[in-house]
Amino acid sequence: NAGVTQTPKFQVLKTGQSMTLQCAQDMNHNSMYWYRQDPGMGLRLIYYSASEGTTDKGEVPNGYNVSRLNKREFSLRLESAAPSQTSVYFCASSVRAGGGSEQFFGPGTRLTVL
Amino acid sequence: SQQGEEDPQALSIQEGENATMNCSYKTSINNLQWYRQNSGRGLVHLILIRSNEREKHSGRLRVTLDTSKKSSSLLITASRAADTASYFCATDPNRYTGANSKLTFGKGITLSVRP
Repeated sequence: NAGVTQTPKFQVLKTGQSMTLQCAQDMNHNSMYWYRQDPGMGLRLIYYSASEGTTDKGEVPNGYNVSRLNKREFSLRLESAAPSQTSVYFCASSVRAGGGSEQFFGPGTRLTVL
Repeated sequence: SQQGEEDPQALSIQEGENATMNCSYKTSINNLQWYRQNSGRGLVHLILIRSNEREKHSGRLRVTLDTSKKSSSLLITASRAADTASYFCATDPNRYTGANSKLTFGKGITLSVRP
């Protein structure tokens, strides 16, 4: 039982390049989330998927797109990376959105955009 | 926008002492959760307290919730060097099970426990 896995662990991009961050969970959770963590800012929600087939914007969605590929996988895409997107990205999952469901986090992806 | 605000921002204590961290929030909540993050790792859930609960314990952790003051505290008793980490409170604003609520995290408290 691996929990929540993320790939890659580290990535360096040049401004304007694109990439997809992958996330998978093996806990049969319905809901999945993408956050970014910046120094002094805490975690901010980018996008989430309350259940398979649905996605919704979070607090900071601009510059990102997501795909809920199936129940297990939730990917985050940067179409044209900008230096402001340099951050640590965390994927998380929960049994359901809301109702007091704890979230389980992956180990994170450290992204640097030059 | 951050719902939960932790206080203090940083805390340094000696091993064996107790650590108290506070969280205040603005709007009504369904529950409040505390998470720990070790350096370079993802967050780990510690404890959840519902809006109709006042106090909850888990091992060396004690969480209180005062909905009238919109505040919560996390107490770690008999701290250890391994407790060194960042601690975040997260609020769940929705009242109804199954609604698309989203946790809102505070900026975190950095706890250093000196051996």
